[in-house]
Amino acid sequence: IQLTQSPSFLSASVGDRVTITCRASQGISSYLAWYQQKPGKAPELLIYPSSSLQSGVPSRFSGSGSGTDFTLTISSLQPEDFATYYCQQLNTYPRTFGQGTKVEIK
Amino acid sequence: EVQLVESGGGLVKPGGSLRLSCAASGFSFSSYSMNWVRQAPGKGLEWVSSISSSSSYIYYADSVQGRFTISRDNAKNSLYLQMNSLRAEDTAVYYCARDKSRGNYLPIGYWGQGTLVTVSS
Repeated sequence: IQLTQSPSFLSASVGDRVTITCRASQGISSYLAWYQQKPGKAPELLIYPSSSLQSGVPSRFSGSGSGTDFTLTISSLQPEDFATYYCQQLNTYPRTFGQGTKVEIK
Repeated sequence: EVQLVESGGGLVKPGGSLRLSCAASGFSFSSYSMNWVRQAPGKGLEWVSSISSSSSYIYYADSVQGRFTISRDNAKNSLYLQMNSLRAEDTAVYYCARDKSRGNYLPIGYWGQGTLVTVSS
């Protein structure tokens, strides 16, 4: 299963609403996770399954979708949110990741 | 506290071999599926391999199938990745990672700090 994230790069300002999409090459139900990775650090799980916020993750993050189309939304971008975001499908092996979306400060 | 500490990375020539280890602590290691995920310099994440809690189920990415072998020793709370026939494109930080909880269809909830493998002549 291929995962295609868009955009690959996003320039935004603090306070902006940001949406990242992840499209699967075939249906994966809701078995999609979102991770955040900051430079030099391991990724952190934000959302799984597709719309369930993990404990401790700020409520400005939200996820939606099922089947083949998914979105990660940050309602009001904060300075600590500038990072790279990855989706990963857990429906079948190999457990592919999307190519990533880098969110940078405008 | 869950801790995953990788070791064994380093510089190796193309065609060579390397064995990565991951020491786990702070949880019941024998109860969880484990994974290796890698990240080439400046690139995205790539899932490499997964192993179930009792080693009954093992999966590999196509890119490493036949060259890499994942294994675990539950008595030693350790995860391994034997890497043979290494290629330049295997150069990456390799992360040891634990499933978020017990069960199927689960994402990674815990990551090690990573160990760098460089394949170069």
